[in-house]
Amino acid sequence: QVQLVQSGAEVKKPGSSVKVSCKPSGGPFSSYTLSWVRQAPGQGLEWVGRAIPSVGMTHYAQKFQGRVTITADKSTSTAYMELSSLRSDDTAMYYCAREHTRTFDIWGQGTMVTVSS
Amino acid sequence: DIQMTQSPSSLSASVGDRVTITCRASQSIYIYLNWYQQKPGKAPKILISAASTLQSGVPSRFSGSGSGTDFILTISSLQPEDFATYYCQQSYSTPSITFGQGTRLEIK
Repeated sequence: QVQLVQSGAEVKKPGSSVKVSCKPSGGPFSSYTLSWVRQAPGQGLEWVGRAIPSVGMTHYAQKFQGRVTITADKSTSTAYMELSSLRSDDTAMYYCAREHTRTFDIWGQGTMVTVSS
Repeated sequence: DIQMTQSPSSLSASVGDRVTITCRASQSIYIYLNWYQQKPGKAPKILISAASTLQSGVPSRFSGSGSGTDFILTISSLQPEDFATYYCQQSYSTPSITFGQGTRLEIK
């Protein structure tokens, strides 16, 4: 069973950047579509964007355009989400999730990002 | 973006109850609607895809219906492990994905 393993919790200052990683434990990485979904404390789910390594494409939610960069490193089979110009309302759990047949069928364990001065 | 609206936002029910949660899309999404269950401190789990397709391993007491703009998640007989938050998600309007705001199902 494929698992998505994410990097550990981060504490960042306002205005800084954070980069979170997501590595599948198996399977053909290049065939995956990996999305990032965030969840602020006590709030709902919010799609951030995705990477499609097989075609080298990325898509971002309009809300995050210009502030987020999602990459996929085929050499290390690792996906990354970098969010810049952090604000306090970026404090959230960030999940990576595999997209398969239009569903998020496998999720990472989540990475808590706390933005605080 | 397509807006997804769930109702109710929260719901209290008892073990054995039949429960329905509604999800409405701001425009037709045909059957491109998924349901997820999330328990505290855990990642969401896919329950139903394409409006009514039960995922492998999901108990048959869960069912989904609907098409177009209106969808329903039904739990036929609530079990203790079903108390969680449920989210709908549209996958019609790619590349953007949107979720409903969630329905918290609590024990009465």
